[in-house]
Amino acid sequence: DIVLTQSPDSLAVSLGEWATINCKSSQSILYSSNRKNYVAWYQQKPGRPPKLLISWASSRESGVPDRFSGSGSGTDFTLTISGLQAEDVAVYYCQQYYSAPYTFGQGTKLEIK
Amino acid sequence: QLQLQESGPGLVKPSETLSLLCNVSGGSITDNAYYWGWIRQPPGKGLEWIGSIYYSGSTYYKPSLKSRLTISVDTPKNQLSLRLTSVTAADTAIYYCVRHPGKWIIFKSWGQGILVSVSS
Repeated sequence: DIVLTQSPDSLAVSLGEWATINCKSSQSILYSSNRKNYVAWYQQKPGRPPKLLISWASSRESGVPDRFSGSGSGTDFTLTISGLQAEDVAVYYCQQYYSAPYTFGQGTKLEIK
Repeated sequence: QLQLQESGPGLVKPSETLSLLCNVSGGSITDNAYYWGWIRQPPGKGLEWIGSIYYSGSTYYKPSLKSRLTISVDTPKNQLSLRLTSVTAADTAIYYCVRHPGKWIIFKSWGQGILVSVSS
């Protein structure tokens, strides 16, 4: 199974500042034939199901604010939130869809400092 | 707008069978662009993909659960079901019904989830 390790496990950021969450894969999730990275990012607020934010490492879903951005390739990926807002408090997960079983990172809890 | 609604018992005894339904509305379970699946989340913990199914009945399961797991669809009722046998406390979780594109396992649509506790 592909293991995704997120760092940090939690972080506290001041309103308006940047938050950076990392996701490292135990193997490359870059598909050579199409040069696409098979990683997605989700946001989960308390008591709610996860919400897809980004797919293909950097493609933002419709309706997701542009302060959310994804980057990275191969085994190392980053979710960046620029200009943190109060409603961004949540747990964030990365997920790989390169191969079954489709696995998630352990989650990163984002709080306001 | 697609809606997924899970239902089933909130409490199951150890060694018994966990059975859940997911009612699909606002979309057809026979839409050939999508697969349907289940993801679970133990309270306070992370997410675990359990398995997925195509309306034709083609399934793929997480290998570690395969021997205990059955996912099926009822196309006339537009429902998805999950059956997990011989449950233990480790199966206690919120179970989410999900939909994903057939080719890429990206979970865009989620139900609200149902908490199932395994306890005597």
